[in-house]
Amino acid sequence: NAGVMQNPRHLVRRRGQEARLRCSPMKGHSHVYWYRQLPEEGLKFMVYLQKENIIDESGMPKERFSAEFPKEGPSILRIQQVVRGDSAAYFCASSPAQVGTEAFFGQGTRLTVV
Amino acid sequence: DQQVKQNSPSLSVQEGRISILNCDYTNSMFDYFLWYKKYPAEGPTFLISISSIKDKNEDGRFTVFLNKSAKHLSLHIVPSQPGDSAVYFCAAPSNTGNQFYFGTGTSLTVIP
Repeated sequence: NAGVMQNPRHLVRRRGQEARLRCSPMKGHSHVYWYRQLPEEGLKFMVYLQKENIIDESGMPKERFSAEFPKEGPSILRIQQVVRGDSAAYFCASSPAQVGTEAFFGQGTRLTVV
Repeated sequence: DQQVKQNSPSLSVQEGRISILNCDYTNSMFDYFLWYKKYPAEGPTFLISISSIKDKNEDGRFTVFLNKSAKHLSLHIVPSQPGDSAVYFCAAPSNTGNQFYFGTGTSLTVIP
């Protein structure tokens, strides 16, 4: 049973480009969460999705960021017109039910904006 | 507003001794707490949890203690091993169940 798979592991983008981060949850998990870890900081919640629905996006910047979890395929976190401040590690987690027990994290995507 | 706080950014302990990592929280409605361990360039992995109906939960070398009146929990690792060197995050699910609140982490170094 594969764990949470994130790709790419490392992503370099120039300022103004788009970044697409992918997350395939564990088999049987229908709840996906995205977190961001800035240098020297803890993990900050961005968005919580179930299949085809955004449940809570209260942690996501209002502009340039979007997320989806389609019926088929991985969850996508999309950052348009990236800026240097978007450089961070982005982690996806999945759970079989709503957070209340542990969630399982992927290895993260390290985004570097140059 | 940081609802879960880890005030010690780092801790060094000799191999074989006890490591004690601390965590404080502000929301008295939290009823479940978790500790995650994170190695560099990897995602956090679940370590141990505790429900608010308990004050202690033990799993091998790892024990978590919860003091609800003080809004404080701690993770004890004994005996500490070099492989325990990692960043440890304390977390609590939000009341809506939509997210975890994470502390800023404590970097543990176990010295051989």
